[in-house]
Amino acid sequence: DAGVTQSPTHLIKTRGQQVTLRCSPKSGHDTVSWYQQALGQGPQFIFQYYEEEERQRGNFPDRFSGHQFPNYSSELNVNALLLGDSALYLCASSLTGRPNIQYFGAGTRLSVL
Amino acid sequence: RKEVEQDPGPFNVPEGATVAFNCTYSNSASQSFFWYRQDCRKEPKLLMSVYSSGNEDGRFTAQLNRASQYISLLIRDSKLSDSATYLCVVLRGPNTNAGKSTFGDGTTLTVKP
Repeated sequence: DAGVTQSPTHLIKTRGQQVTLRCSPKSGHDTVSWYQQALGQGPQFIFQYYEEEERQRGNFPDRFSGHQFPNYSSELNVNALLLGDSALYLCASSLTGRPNIQYFGAGTRLSVL
Repeated sequence: RKEVEQDPGPFNVPEGATVAFNCTYSNSASQSFFWYRQDCRKEPKLLMSVYSSGNEDGRFTAQLNRASQYISLLIRDSKLSDSATYLCVVLRGPNTNAGKSTFGDGTTLTVKP
């Protein structure tokens, strides 16, 4: 039973560029949430996708956007990268009906130079 | 003031010690509470949910005090393998999806031989 998988594991970009991160949820899960974790801080909620729609959103600018595909996998896109976007980006999957149990992927570490 | 606050530590304790972490939350409408564990450079993993009546899982005991708006985690007979960062997580509303979880910044525990 595959857990949550994310790709790539590491990424280096320069300011102003755009990046796409990918996530495959745990088998049987239909909901995907994205978090940003800066060094020394807890994960900050970015948004959540269910049935291919953004269901909830945290306090992140419109530069952060996402998508969910029919197979429940998801992408996080960040445009016009800033130095402050450097962080670990975590994807978590859950099952509607049991939303309190989240399983996290290992994350994508993004460095913006 | 952050919505969820934790003492960052670090807590350095010898093997076999008992250690307790507290977490305070500001939103009185919060309904669900959890402790996650995050090892260095790894993803968070659910340690245990926190119920109003308190709950225990082996050496771990979680308690909730709604009147004072804090939750606690007690670890008895600490093991070297307990060394990690412990994240307090709060959900607002009984029907709020897990994706709106608010994480604290974590408390770091180091258990020494």
